[in-house]
Amino acid sequence: AQSVTQPDIHITVSEGASLELRCNYSYGATPYLFWYVQSPGQGLQLLLKYFSGDTLVQGIKGFEAEFKRSQSSFNLRKPSVHWSDAAEYFCAVGPQVGAGTALIFGKGTTLSVSS
Amino acid sequence: NAGVMQNPRHLVRRRGQEARLRCSPMKGHSHVYWYRQLPEEGLKFMVYLQKENIIDESGMPKERFSAEFPKEGPSILRIQQVVRGDSAAYFCASSPAATNEKLFFGSGTQLSVL
Repeated sequence: AQSVTQPDIHITVSEGASLELRCNYSYGATPYLFWYVQSPGQGLQLLLKYFSGDTLVQGIKGFEAEFKRSQSSFNLRKPSVHWSDAAEYFCAVGPQVGAGTALIFGKGTTLSVSS
Repeated sequence: NAGVMQNPRHLVRRRGQEARLRCSPMKGHSHVYWYRQLPEEGLKFMVYLQKENIIDESGMPKERFSAEFPKEGPSILRIQQVVRGDSAAYFCASSPAATNEKLFFGSGTQLSVL
């Protein structure tokens, strides 16, 4: 079955500390992977995506993620967290093209930033 | 270049009423996706439409829910005879082609059923 697991429901990080949000997936075909961020009352904003090539991808707002095929993981990282990063983060997997290009989302990880 | 526009932002309905959610895709986008987000859950795919056609409705409940994307005008997600379990955030996303590479999400419609 195709699925995305985000093991951590809620994480609290001190401002300025590093961050890693975990994402594991189960997908039959070549996975195309995404991280989205959702601020309260807002829609989803794409942070970064991986389709092919370099397994370390850079995104907006200083985020990066590394695709590890052997571990079926696509963890999101940021070296120094800012208070404005507090939000909910969703990992998603899907096909790039073709009919039924629906994304499968994880349940999300809520990030709180303490001062 | 306006993003994906959804309205209303908040919609309150009583049980048994109809809910109509609208989504105007980004300019030049002819592919629309609807997702539903239940409390403390991730987004779940509902339906994928291309102008005037439903491409994939595998995530749509069989009863009471329907979607359309006419040649002119916004995409509409319609829920008939709403029940409390329909309370959720409904998100629309659009894309210029059948690809996830250029997928943009709207801010969602929060449906509350009393």
